[in-house]
Amino acid sequence: NAGVTQTPKFQVLKTGQSMTLQCAQDMNHNSMYWYRQDPGMGLRLIYYSASEGTTDKGEVPNGYNVSRLNKREFSLRLESAAPSQTSVYFCASSARQNTGELFFGEGSRLTVL
Amino acid sequence: RKEVEQDPGPFNVPEGATVAFNCTYSNSASQSFFWYRQDCRKEPKLLMSVYSSGNEDGRFTAQLNRASQYISLLIRDSKLSDSATYLCVVNQAGTALIFGKGTTLSVSS
Repeated sequence: NAGVTQTPKFQVLKTGQSMTLQCAQDMNHNSMYWYRQDPGMGLRLIYYSASEGTTDKGEVPNGYNVSRLNKREFSLRLESAAPSQTSVYFCASSARQNTGELFFGEGSRLTVL
Repeated sequence: RKEVEQDPGPFNVPEGATVAFNCTYSNSASQSFFWYRQDCRKEPKLLMSVYSSGNEDGRFTAQLNRASQYISLLIRDSKLSDSATYLCVVNQAGTALIFGKGTTLSVSS
């Protein structure tokens, strides 16, 4: 029962470095999401993909890019990391866009020095 | 005004207590509503949907008041295992879910 798998779980970057967070789901879900969670800010949507082949900006997309590689995989890329991107990143998936049940990965804790 | 607002707490209650969390949302076009639970350093998980007529799942009761744009979660007979952060979540047509910042509950023996 893998569900939603994110890698890496922990990462430390220096300012200006790039990296990609990987996410894969095995539930045949159409929609996938990337959120970040910061203390006192709650979960904020970065990007989402309602279905394979489409991506849309969420509330806080600046500094990020995404790729919906196929139905299973949705990656998040930081081209030039900044300390403000220090956060916990959650990938999630749902059967379709407007359903209330999201299935989350375990999170990726990113620190940018 | 934030789209989804919750009292952050923390709510500190003894085992067996009844505790209620409230949530308000700003967009009257919001269509569906949920409560998620998040344990410390874990991912959020769906606790229950909130229906217009109110709904119950064991010790948990959720209610929706569309006129006041208000959602509540009542937990009866609190258990130690109920300690977590409870996230109010709202869905608007054509967008992804919007999460509140969460209310922290700590149940002590």
